[in-house]
Amino acid sequence: DTAVSQTPKYLVTQMGNDKSIKCEQNLGHDTMYWYKQDSKKFLKIMFSYNNKELIINETVPNRFSPKSPDKAHLNLHINSLELGDSAVYFCASSQLQDSGPQHFGDGTRLSIL
Amino acid sequence: DQQVKQNSPSLSVQEGRISILNCDYTNSMFDYFLWYKKYPAEGPTFLISISSIKDKNEDGRFTVFLNKSAKHLSLHIVPSQPGDSAVYFCAAPNRGTSYGKLTFGQGTILTVHP
Repeated sequence: DTAVSQTPKYLVTQMGNDKSIKCEQNLGHDTMYWYKQDSKKFLKIMFSYNNKELIINETVPNRFSPKSPDKAHLNLHINSLELGDSAVYFCASSQLQDSGPQHFGDGTRLSIL
Repeated sequence: DQQVKQNSPSLSVQEGRISILNCDYTNSMFDYFLWYKKYPAEGPTFLISISSIKDKNEDGRFTVFLNKSAKHLSLHIVPSQPGDSAVYFCAAPNRGTSYGKLTFGQGTILTVHP
C-alpha cells in the first residue's frame, strides 16, 4: 500500500494554463506538506496543513493555492502557469507537526512549455 | 540564506568501504536533524535522525554523528553496498514559528561501485 500518493506523476502543459496536483496519505497523519524541488535540486517547503488548517505559507506566489478537504488529502492548484513553475513537487505527511520524520510521495514532475 | 549545507555534491566509494557524508548548519536553534535518502523518480525516504542531546545515533549500517560546537553532522555507512547509491539529504526542522518546516541541504550523490 502506498503511504503518500500523488497524481499525476508527470504533468506537461502550456504557459498560462491552470492545473492541479492531488495528494493523499493513508498513514493517519495530522500534518501534510507541499515541497518544491527546483532545477538546482533544492527541496523547499511551500505549505503545511495541520488538521485541514494552514500552518506554513512560505513566500509562494498566490497563483499557488493549497486545498485540504480532509486531513488525508492536500491538493495543490496552480493558476496561470509560468515557465519558472517547472519543477518537481513533493507532497509529504507527518504524525506531529514539529517533530518526527516526514513521509514523502514520489513527486510530480511539472513541465511548462 | 542557506542554513543547511552539504558541500560535497558527490561521493564515490568502493563496495564494502565506509561512506561518509557531511552536513553543516548555521542556525544554532536547530536541535534535531534527519537524513533522507532519495532514489531517482522517487520521493525522499527517512533514514535516520539525531537529537541535539546526543552526539551519536546508530541504526544498523548507518550512524549519524553530531558535533554541536562545530555545527556539523555526518552520516557514516559501513559497509557500503551498491544499493546505497542514491542522493542523501540532511535536514533540520525549524521549531520556531514555522512548525514542521524542514530545511534541506542540497544533497550529496553517493555512488557505490561493486
